[in-house]
Amino acid sequence: NAGVTQTPKFRVLKTGQSMTLLCAQDMNHEYMYWYRQDPGMGLRLIHYSVGEGTTAKGEVPDGYNVSRLKKQNFLLGLESAAPSQTSVYFCASSWGLAGVRAGELFFGEGSRLTVL
Amino acid sequence: AQSVTQPDIHITVSEGASLELRCNYSYGATPYLFWYVQSPGQGLQLLLKYFSGDTLVQGIKGFEAEFKRSQSSFNLRKPSVHWSDAAEYFCAVGAQGGKLIFGQGTELSVKP
Repeated sequence: NAGVTQTPKFRVLKTGQSMTLLCAQDMNHEYMYWYRQDPGMGLRLIHYSVGEGTTAKGEVPDGYNVSRLKKQNFLLGLESAAPSQTSVYFCASSWGLAGVRAGELFFGEGSRLTVL
Repeated sequence: AQSVTQPDIHITVSEGASLELRCNYSYGATPYLFWYVQSPGQGLQLLLKYFSGDTLVQGIKGFEAEFKRSQSSFNLRKPSVHWSDAAEYFCAVGAQGGKLIFGQGTELSVKP
């Protein structure tokens, strides 16, 4: 059971470089999310998607773009990385806020990104 | 806007002692509330959730939480803490559009 898989798990970038984080889930979830986790800040929602082909902004969307071309994949892109984007990024998926398992997010193991 | 506040950044309790982690939320309607736990180097795992009905909800690993609308609170409790409970705990509120907004987290340390 793969669940939610994030790649890569570690990456070091220089300021101004671009990269894409890939999230894949095999649970047929409609909802997918990208969070960043920083010390003392908890998890902050970057972008999320409520279904294939849809995306929406979260709490801290600036400097990031996302795409959901396939239901099982949710990509997070940094077009021009900045040191402030050094963080641990978590992808999650869920059935949304309806049904028996409403609100239960399934998380990947995280991707640690350092921007120099 | 929806928000969650966890007033305690770090709590230390002795093994076998009781535990209460505080959570306050801001939300206009009846909230969907959650507690998640994160072990070091891992993603988050759902402990319990409240949607409606009985205000005292039971979760996994012996945890429970009580929803108090008058205090806008959803505190997490455990009667007897085990060393394996050391982790970071996050309270979250389900917001419009199906997203979850998390609090800042409370790190729990357990003394032997």
